[in-house]
Amino acid sequence: QVQLQQWGAGLLKPSETLSLTCSVHGGSFSGYYWSWIRQPPGKGLEWIGEIKDTRNINYNPSLKSRVTLSIDTSKNQFSLRLRSVTAADTAVYYCARRFGGVWNGSYNRFFDYWGPGIPVTVSS
Amino acid sequence: DIQMTQSPSSLSASVGDRVTITCRSSQTIDTYVNWYQQIPGKAPKLLIYAASSLQSGVPSRFRGSVSGTDFTLSISNLQPEDFATYYCQQSYSPLWTFGQGTKVEIK
Repeated sequence: QVQLQQWGAGLLKPSETLSLTCSVHGGSFSGYYWSWIRQPPGKGLEWIGEIKDTRNINYNPSLKSRVTLSIDTSKNQFSLRLRSVTAADTAVYYCARRFGGVWNGSYNRFFDYWGPGIPVTVSS
Repeated sequence: DIQMTQSPSSLSASVGDRVTITCRSSQTIDTYVNWYQQIPGKAPKLLIYAASSLQSGVPSRFRGSVSGTDFTLSISNLQPEDFATYYCQQSYSPLWTFGQGTKVEIK
């Protein structure tokens, strides 16, 4: 069974850098895309970006200028850094595994395993 | 970006009812839509992938369907544990986007 464990600072001041890490336990780490998704209080889900390895990284264009994703395959961990945060970055941040491959006979892509989420508040 | 317009934003229903939630994509995306259930304070849980395939372990009262760019999640015989928020998500283009969510509340 795949389990994702997240950690990082939960309270930031404006202009600081958000830094979160997700550790994957169980299952295979290589070959999957690992994503970050956030959810502002009372709102919907926003995909931030995903990483498979150092050459395969996709970002949401709306956040690309401030986001860096990294991965440490030796530790089965991946990380998110979001620079110059504002109150608009206040949200619960989830890490998730994105499956992408043949499943039940056809090519599919979906988020099948999620971390528990970390609430991050940006406030002066 | 592919926009996913989900409706309604909320609905009230009783245990045993059948409810339907719809997502319309802004362009043709084949069957690349997934549905998730989110209970307050928890991470989303995958229910349906590829528009109509039931994720392992998900009760058969959940059903997904598609007609063109309209995707539907139906829940029959609503159970107390089904009162939650549901999101659609397009998996056609790698700027993955979600619908705004539908909160299913107890009448």
